[in-house]
Amino acid sequence: GENVEQHPSTLSVQEGDSAVIKCTYSDSASNYFPWYKQELGKGPQLIIDIRSNVGEKKDQRIAVTLNKTAKHFSLHITETQPEDSAVYFCAARQNSGYALNFGKGTSLLVTP
Amino acid sequence: GAVVSQHPSRVICKSGTSVKIECRSLDFQATTMFWYRQFPKQSLMLMATSNEGSKATYEQGVEKDKFLINHASLTLSTLTVTSAHPEDSSFYICSAVRDSNQPQHFGDGTRLSIL
Repeated sequence: GENVEQHPSTLSVQEGDSAVIKCTYSDSASNYFPWYKQELGKGPQLIIDIRSNVGEKKDQRIAVTLNKTAKHFSLHITETQPEDSAVYFCAARQNSGYALNFGKGTSLLVTP
Repeated sequence: GAVVSQHPSRVICKSGTSVKIECRSLDFQATTMFWYRQFPKQSLMLMATSNEGSKATYEQGVEKDKFLINHASLTLSTLTVTSAHPEDSSFYICSAVRDSNQPQHFGDGTRLSIL
């Protein structure tokens, strides 16, 4: 089955700096890669996703890059703000109908 | 955007009680819903996949008689933890998809505490 690895497990940055979280996956059949943000006591919230026919996607301060050959994808947050502090999960999924396989999460702390 | 509502948000009950958790997709019809369990500072662990009108598919190691799932309509799935014990205490989260090629949207979870 699919195995998703996520690094780092914790990340601390200063407000205004960039944060990068990296994930690798094992199943070449995976073709959908979402990123979720989970705040304390809440469910995960989808922040951005990318499909395998695209190498990069951007939404304001958030971007995701995908390298299919190397089987890795990354989340980039620029101009970080304290409210970006949360746990971020990457995930991978095969074609339609399959459940998501999650990474172990990255706890991001943005200090003022 | 897609909204998934989960109820209740928190339950505290005695050992031996059965607890029902509801998951509703408020603004779309969900062909598939998923139930996850999350331990503190850990990732989400898939428990079961629920398709409307059919039996749920449980992951290995998840007792189907312990965790009863019903997906009676395109907007509602329920998880019943039967005869709950302290080891069942956890954060249970549901998610829903509009169709098989769409993103999963999550509810805000249910914190279950069994005394």
